[in-house]
Amino acid sequence: GQNIDQPTEMTATEGAIVQINCTYQTSGFNGLFWYQQHAGEAPTFLSYNVLDGLEEKGRFSSFLSRSKGYSYLLLKELQMKDSASYLCAVRDLGNAGNMLTFGGGTRLMVKP
Amino acid sequence: DSGVTQTPKHLITATGQRVTLRCSPRSGDLSVYWYQQSLDQGLQFLIQYYNGEERAKGNILERFSAQQFPDLHSELNLSSLELGDSALYFCASSPGGSQFQPQHFGDGTRLSIL
Repeated sequence: GQNIDQPTEMTATEGAIVQINCTYQTSGFNGLFWYQQHAGEAPTFLSYNVLDGLEEKGRFSSFLSRSKGYSYLLLKELQMKDSASYLCAVRDLGNAGNMLTFGGGTRLMVKP
Repeated sequence: DSGVTQTPKHLITATGQRVTLRCSPRSGDLSVYWYQQSLDQGLQFLIQYYNGEERAKGNILERFSAQQFPDLHSELNLSSLELGDSALYFCASSPGGSQFQPQHFGDGTRLSIL
């Protein structure tokens, strides 16, 4: 099975930088995804890490350490529209398909 | 717009009833996934189909079933509905069974059981 932990809520200020952490335990890691989800809307894909290191995409970056079972999503130059839930999801080698196990999500509130 | 279409957007029904949720994947995508999202459970994987065949199964109840048709659209059938089945049901799709392809989500069907 898998266990994925993320903080439930975070608050940050517009223009600042925020780091959302995710730790996971899995029997056969095969990739980690970050999704953004605004309340009542569909999750949208942000980033994917399968190897250790940092992946940068504009204002968003994601980091992975497989030995530590740890990832973070870094959001720079925060905007009010970044207020949303951020979901960490892990794919396990053990399953035959492409199923993802999601963490509970971190609700980020950006304040002026 | 992800390109994944789900209908209906909202569904209100009573306990004991049966409903069918429909999903059309993005053009060219062969894999379809169903997820349930409730307030206390987060996003839970239910089932995956790839080109008409069941590929992976999560914690899907026996009262729930799904299928993928030759035109690749998928339906999720929920029967003997209970109050606890009230949730957002998302469909997602990806090009194939490959591990390196992100899943793209539809806007979901909000199911309310009265």
